[in-house]
Amino acid sequence: GAGVSQSPSNKVTEKGKDVELRCDPISGHTALYWYRQSLGQGLEFLIYFQGNSAPDKSGLPSDRFSAERTGGSVSTLTIQRTQQEDSAVYLCASSSTRGGVTAGELFFGEGSRLTVL
Amino acid sequence: RKEVEQDPGPFNVPEGATVAFNCTYSNSASQSFFWYRQDCRKEPKLLMSVYSSGNEDGRFTAQLNRASQYISLLIRDSKLSDSATYLCVVNRGTGNQFYFGTGTSLTVIP
Repeated sequence: GAGVSQSPSNKVTEKGKDVELRCDPISGHTALYWYRQSLGQGLEFLIYFQGNSAPDKSGLPSDRFSAERTGGSVSTLTIQRTQQEDSAVYLCASSSTRGGVTAGELFFGEGSRLTVL
Repeated sequence: RKEVEQDPGPFNVPEGATVAFNCTYSNSASQSFFWYRQDCRKEPKLLMSVYSSGNEDGRFTAQLNRASQYISLLIRDSKLSDSATYLCVVNRGTGNQFYFGTGTSLTVIP
């Protein structure tokens, strides 16, 4: 597709269950980011992938959160044993790079809205 | 101290008004600066990059003051369609993290 695609668009789950969120970046974009946005809040950085380099996981809030990116393209964010405070919109963004550095604009998907009951 | 700070507003202005938003950043090594727009329950989208010399795109003017570490966005002749949240975004350049402000809410009133 032409843009960043995320699925599911909405997910309602029970506390304690695991969830997987998927992101398909723009073709050719080597940089991929996950952010979290809670209601009325700014974007919180979670994790960054750049090509085959080790991901920057410095934003993951706990060890219940993990992400992987297979084949340098699709990424999956996994939240284990979900808690109510995990409820938020999870946004994925991709960007092209120059010399290994993100070049300019981030292109966002429409997000996955997670509600933990 | 947060990397990027913005006045959350809300700013409620009549159509045709001029409105300005400011944003400050804490890291003097920051290299790239942007304004993103986010509509309600939508994803952020790039409005404009901010260049050192200042830049204009139609009714929108962005300015950067490195000495004071602030960025501004001026919107002239506001339209109803300008109603949105405006996010100030900073990138250090050497790393790959984009730091987002919490956004400034604008409502343009008929």
